[in-house]
Amino acid sequence: EVQLVESGGGLVQPGGSLRLSCAASGFTFSSYAMHWVRQAPGKGLEYVSAITSNGGSTYYAKSVKGRFTISRDNSKNTLYLQMGSLRAEDMAVYYCARELTYSAKGGWTDSWGQGTLVTVSS
Amino acid sequence: QPVLTQSSSASASLGSSVKLTCTLSSGHSNYIIAWHQQQAGKAPRFLMKLEGSGPYNKGSGVPDRFSGSSSGADRYLTISNLQSEDEADYYCETWDSNTWVFGGGTKLTVL
Repeated sequence: EVQLVESGGGLVQPGGSLRLSCAASGFTFSSYAMHWVRQAPGKGLEYVSAITSNGGSTYYAKSVKGRFTISRDNSKNTLYLQMGSLRAEDMAVYYCARELTYSAKGGWTDSWGQGTLVTVSS
Repeated sequence: QPVLTQSSSASASLGSSVKLTCTLSSGHSNYIIAWHQQQAGKAPRFLMKLEGSGPYNKGSGVPDRFSGSSSGADRYLTISNLQSEDEADYYCETWDSNTWVFGGGTKLTVL
């Protein structure tokens, strides 16, 4: 069974930093591209970032580019999201998700974690 | 980049059927989409991948009551024999050139 377990969320001041982790199990982690998707309180889903299976390519939404960094450690079956210069509008539940790759241009999300809440407030 | 448009809300009676729509923007009518369900307070759950030509592939454990279909730029999610647990938000997702987009979501109420 695919399991994705996020951790690292919490309260951070505006301008601060936080690192999220996602521990994967139940599948060959190194064979799959992975995503981070967020959901602000009462709002819809928003793509944040993606990384290819070997970590060689990374992609970001315009709203986080230059502030967030996605990475992975395939030896530890873990996905990361380093978040910096945090703003009030970054406050959301952050989900880790697995991509079922269709082509070199991407694929759809087929498994989700339970999410971790990031609160940005002074 | 593609844009996905969904109605904000829908409602149907227990035991009936409902058809939710996700519309792809102009020039993207042949794109593959995925449907996801999010029950209140829970993480999203993948339901199915749906191609423009109509074939769909469901996720593990998704009941037979859920089916997908397509017509032009429209992608449909049909839920038959509605159950109370089907009350949820439903999102469609697509991608292009390693950028992913979600529709705004449809809140389904089961009466």
